[in-house]
Amino acid sequence: RKEVEQDPGPFNVPEGATVAFNCTYSNSASQSFFWYRQDCRKEPKLLMSVYSSGNEDGRFTAQLNRASQYISLLIRDSKLSDSATYLCAVNGYILTGGGNKLTFGTGTQLKVEL
Amino acid sequence: GAVVSQHPSWVICKSGTSVKIECRSLDFQATTMFWYRQFPKQSLMLMATSNEGSKATYEQGVEKDKFLINHASLTLSTLTVTSAHPEDSSFYICSAREPRLGYEQFFGPGTRLTVL
Repeated sequence: RKEVEQDPGPFNVPEGATVAFNCTYSNSASQSFFWYRQDCRKEPKLLMSVYSSGNEDGRFTAQLNRASQYISLLIRDSKLSDSATYLCAVNGYILTGGGNKLTFGTGTQLKVEL
Repeated sequence: GAVVSQHPSWVICKSGTSVKIECRSLDFQATTMFWYRQFPKQSLMLMATSNEGSKATYEQGVEKDKFLINHASLTLSTLTVTSAHPEDSSFYICSAREPRLGYEQFFGPGTRLTVL
């Protein structure tokens, strides 16, 4: 089982739609959780951190469910400019070898259409 | 704040040559920098963790003699791909962590390497 798993998509949605992505992680000792946005041929940019209490930033809402080991990202009123790949990332002690690192999912591609 | 630069942005080289990529934290001191590689339509894969003043920690399956990492100062880490081959063609991205900001990593713009 991969440490962090995401549905690769693509998710094709009309402009104005609400879309949600999920991401599951296998390491129960994970400490921090993030959603990144990556545009084609660019570096990932932090979209938001994810907290146990849930957090919202404009049209974006992130949730963490530690019991089920998944995080989610909800995008409301999607815009054409939201088209990108959304990567979830989990930080924690790795299961083998020790150390602390950020592990990324494969990303979910979103295409917002007119 | 928390800006990371990376040079070069892209490089094309012949098979067998070595390529050096620089990663700099511009407005903060990064005791830890990370090197990732991303193949098309795949996720970022951590190659190694670079610690200032000490040897890098490589992930399983990454050849330390092929991917040389040097972190000589708190603002600069370099990755040298030695004797590059076409299968090394990829998008190489570095990131740096600012301890005061917790676990968030700030990414450089990436270097696209093409080996002919």
